[in-house]
Amino acid sequence: QKEVEQDPGPLSVPEGAIVSLNCTYSNSAFQYFMWYRQYSRKGPELLMYTYSSGNKEDGRFTAQVDKSSKYISLFIRDSQPSDSATYLCAALSGTALIFGKGTTLSVSS
Amino acid sequence: DAGITQSPRHKVTETGTPVTLRCHQTENHRYMYWYRQDPGHGLRLIHYSYGVKDTDKGEVSDGYSVSRSKTEDFLLTLESATSSQTSVYFCAISDSQAGAYEQYFGPGTRLTVT
Repeated sequence: QKEVEQDPGPLSVPEGAIVSLNCTYSNSAFQYFMWYRQYSRKGPELLMYTYSSGNKEDGRFTAQVDKSSKYISLFIRDSQPSDSATYLCAALSGTALIFGKGTTLSVSS
Repeated sequence: DAGITQSPRHKVTETGTPVTLRCHQTENHRYMYWYRQDPGHGLRLIHYSYGVKDTDKGEVSDGYSVSRSKTEDFLLTLESATSSQTSVYFCAISDSQAGAYEQYFGPGTRLTVT
């Protein structure tokens, strides 16, 4: 079992929808959790990180970690066509990032 | 891409040939990483460096070697390329071990081994 699991989708939503992207992890020692966005044929781009449990908000994006259930979420409000990309969750293990496989999101106008 | 360049951006090579990929950064960050990205596996760490001449293995290091003779450059070498090493390779950087949760990625190198 991979340490970070992510539903690959694809996920298709209309413009303006609220998007919920989710991951689970198995190692309770993980403390830092990251969300990356990756456009087709580009490198991953760090969106935000969260330490331990709780929420973190940045504009239309909210990251949430629930350590009791080992659940990581990213919410996107008022989704835009420009949000169409693959979203990768990750956890920090030592100095390495352990990634989920990514969820592909398509936002239609 | 946070002052990170990778070269070449695309390469096709034959099985058994040596291949070297280069990562160059202008951020003066201490930590540099090589990941590979494959369908069905996601991104996985190959090797990382925590300073000039200081390197360590990651999850999928077999068949790869690295070198770092300058802060700004991190080289990944496939001594004898195999078809299983066909992948997209990404370099990443972070300013410290404590800041390893903030890794910034380069644009990637698409390698095909025929």
